[in-house]
Amino acid sequence: RKEVEQDPGPFNVPEGATVAFNCTYSNSASQSFFWYRQDCRKEPKLLMSVYSSGNEDGRFTAQLNRASQYISLLIRDSKLSDSATYLCVAEAAGNKLTFGGGTRVLVKP
Amino acid sequence: NAGVTQTPKFQVLKTGQSMTLQCAQDMNHEYMSWYRQDPGMGLRLIHYSVGAGITDQGEVPNGYNVSRSTTEDFPLRLLSAAPSQTSVYFCASSYSTRDYGYTFGSGTRLTVV
Repeated sequence: RKEVEQDPGPFNVPEGATVAFNCTYSNSASQSFFWYRQDCRKEPKLLMSVYSSGNEDGRFTAQLNRASQYISLLIRDSKLSDSATYLCVAEAAGNKLTFGGGTRVLVKP
Repeated sequence: NAGVTQTPKFQVLKTGQSMTLQCAQDMNHEYMSWYRQDPGMGLRLIHYSVGAGITDQGEVPNGYNVSRSTTEDFPLRLLSAAPSQTSVYFCASSYSTRDYGYTFGSGTRLTVV
């Protein structure tokens, strides 16, 4: 089993709609979680950290469910520019960060 | 602030050749890592370092060597290139991975023929 698993998608989203997707992690000791955004053929860029209480950054909301070992990302009022691959990241032992395979989101007019 | 700088951006190697991918950061970050990304797969950790003089293996270290003689530089050496090492390589650095995640370089696209 992979340490961090994501639905690869693609999630086809009408512009202006809301989309949400999850990521599961296997290491119950993980303390830190992040969402990254990666555009085609570019480097990953940090979108947001995920805090235990959940956190919001503009149209983006991240949630952590420790009991079920998953984190989620919700995007409201989707823009065409939100089309990208979203990478889920969990901290592994020894300060290493483990990446999921990514969820592809396509926002269409 | 240049951030994380990787060179070269593109490289073609013949099987059996060796080369070094360069990575430098100017943010005084202690944590640095090398990942590879293959189509349909996530980023896989090759090697990482928590400070100058300290390195450790990640998930896929075979065929690669690293050293960390300074805080700024973390080169990745391919000892004898194989077609299976065709990939995009990303270097990343952080002040604290637990708190801030990683800042990535723009990547090196390597093809081994």
